[in-house]
Amino acid sequence: VQLVETGGGLIQPGGSLRLSCAASGITDINNYMTWVRQAPGKGLEWVSVIYTSGRTEYAASVQGRSTISRDTSRNTVAFQLNSLTPEDTAVYYCATFLSGYDYFDNWGQGTLVTVSS
Amino acid sequence: DFQLTQSPSFLSASIGDRVTITCRASQGISNFLAWYQQKPGTAPKLLIYAASTLQSGVPSRFSGSGSGTEFTLTISSLQPEDFATYYCQQFVTFGQGTRLEIK
Repeated sequence: VQLVETGGGLIQPGGSLRLSCAASGITDINNYMTWVRQAPGKGLEWVSVIYTSGRTEYAASVQGRSTISRDTSRNTVAFQLNSLTPEDTAVYYCATFLSGYDYFDNWGQGTLVTVSS
Repeated sequence: DFQLTQSPSFLSASIGDRVTITCRASQGISNFLAWYQQKPGTAPKLLIYAASTLQSGVPSRFSGSGSGTEFTLTISSLQPEDFATYYCQQFVTFGQGTRLEIK
């Protein structure tokens, strides 16, 4: 399984980010696609999941200003976050989540998003 | 809100030492707990899932135990490559991390 994130960079406060995760080699239909972020020097924070059913969930910190979506034909998952603040500065990881066992089994390399003027 | 609390937050140890990290859940979670290792600048790496099952390819010096609300990660004999930060996780909640450094 390989996950490759793209779309990070420097964004001004109030702006939006759109990240993409290209997935290959995923054969387990129980895998959910998630985004996890890590602020500089801080711990891991789950931000969003899209289930195999298409249902989505978001962390409280991004609820109402974020959207996760997937394109099954292209094996990609996208994450959009609006109304950015410096607190959204982080490395954003795409990760697969194996349901039933409830763990993140595959991770991308991460993409850095910096929110600053 | 559900929480995972790791202890200690920082640990200094020597090569060859046996170390144990504890993760306490704010409510019972059966054995639905995983452990990850993260080195600077890299993504987390899954070490253990279902509290005690070693992920394929992970050295046998790593072990996990526990159920309910208290879990442990043990490294039986520290190697240079083990110095990293370790996180426990249950569903979408992570512990705050334990940073393991060389004494």
